[in-house]
Amino acid sequence: DAGVTQSPTHLIKTRGQQVTLRCSPKSGHDTVSWYQQALGQGPQFIFQYYEEEERQRGNFPDRFSGHQFPNYSSELNVNALLLGDSALYLCASRGLRMTAVREGYTFGSGTRLTVV
Amino acid sequence: AQTVTQSQPEMSVQEAETVTLSCTYDTSESDYYLFWYKQPPSRQMILVIRQEAYKQQNATENRFSVNFQKAAKSFSLKISDSQLGDAAMYFCAYRSANFGNEKLTFGTGTRLTIIP
Repeated sequence: DAGVTQSPTHLIKTRGQQVTLRCSPKSGHDTVSWYQQALGQGPQFIFQYYEEEERQRGNFPDRFSGHQFPNYSSELNVNALLLGDSALYLCASRGLRMTAVREGYTFGSGTRLTVV
Repeated sequence: AQTVTQSQPEMSVQEAETVTLSCTYDTSESDYYLFWYKQPPSRQMILVIRQEAYKQQNATENRFSVNFQKAAKSFSLKISDSQLGDAAMYFCAYRSANFGNEKLTFGTGTRLTIIP
């Protein structure tokens, strides 16, 4: 069963650098959302992509950008990394909207980003 | 803006006993969805149970049930016959029912320990 796949699993970057995280949604899902989970906190919504467009955005600066490809996979890009960007980045996918309510969103295991 | 509060950072329960995790939320919306997610050490968020706000009947999924008090904006999770595999972080989450607003708003989580 191909659930949500995220890569890489762990990543260490230096302050000021740029990073790209990748997500492949569950088979049959076409909508991808990204969340940031700081240590000891609940996930915070970054944005959602559908039909290769950003459909909804949370309270994150423009340094956070994304992309969705025709095969529904997605990337999260973060520029000018700050120490405070260190977190677990989770990707979640869904299929039909009402199915997502019934089944919930399918989450990946995340990418642990450490900024030093 | 909606907020979700989990006031119990940690809880513990003896194996086979019952435990209740608390969650309160704040919203001005009348229609919404509430979820409990489990996050084991594997980091993947797993849906435990969900509740539609327009339904008065409390949701139940096997050993998991909720006590949904809409007027009090309370949504607690009861785990019966606790098992070692239930040990994890538990997050309460809110989602609007409005079209186009799909972000999940999470609480800060409760770490549940199962004592053998």
